[in-house]
Amino acid sequence: GNSVTQMEGPVTLSEEAFLTINCTYTATGYPSLFWYVQYPGEGLQLLLKATKADDKGSNKGFEATYRKETTSFHLEKGSVQVSDSAVYFCARHNYGQNFVFGPGTRLSVLP
Amino acid sequence: GAVVSQHPSWVICKSGTSVKIECRSLDFQATTMFWYRQFPKQSLMLMATSNEGSKATYEQGVEKDKFLINHASLTLSTLTVTSAHPEDSSFYICSAGGGQHDTQYFGPGTRLTVL
Repeated sequence: GNSVTQMEGPVTLSEEAFLTINCTYTATGYPSLFWYVQYPGEGLQLLLKATKADDKGSNKGFEATYRKETTSFHLEKGSVQVSDSAVYFCARHNYGQNFVFGPGTRLSVLP
Repeated sequence: GAVVSQHPSWVICKSGTSVKIECRSLDFQATTMFWYRQFPKQSLMLMATSNEGSKATYEQGVEKDKFLINHASLTLSTLTVTSAHPEDSSFYICSAGGGQHDTQYFGPGTRLTVL
């Protein structure tokens, strides 16, 4: 079936460190892939997305590349800030079907 | 991106009462909306798909008589938690889009606390 797996958190980094949050998905169909971010006490916000293989989504210094060969969509940022502290959700979506979310990865960035 | 609002943002109620949560798509028409529940430090759990003008589709294990969903217009879906109990306390999030739409837009969430 459809599933999304993320690296377990929490991830704790110092400000300006490099961030990677791994995400892999089951290869069913040709899904679009997403990263959503949830700040404390808020709903989810779309961070970036990619709709086909080799596409790179990017926003606010974050980026992720749709890798069909490894069924991955890892989130990266070259230099994190304290304000990036949040929970990050990877998600997949096949046309006409429900979104499937990963379990979320909590990121804490220390000053 | 599209804007989805929820009201109220938080609510505290007594056990046994009913609570209605509204979800509105502010700048687009949404034939389909989704209701999620999120427990602390956990991912989102899809409760039901709200379809405009027809009955909602509930996920397995979700009581349709307890969580009443009404999608009366293309911009409004409501979730009513009937006879709420403390175990219903949670963060409820709605979204619009998905399905045939490529991106799902989320509301800010409603925190329900049942005393």
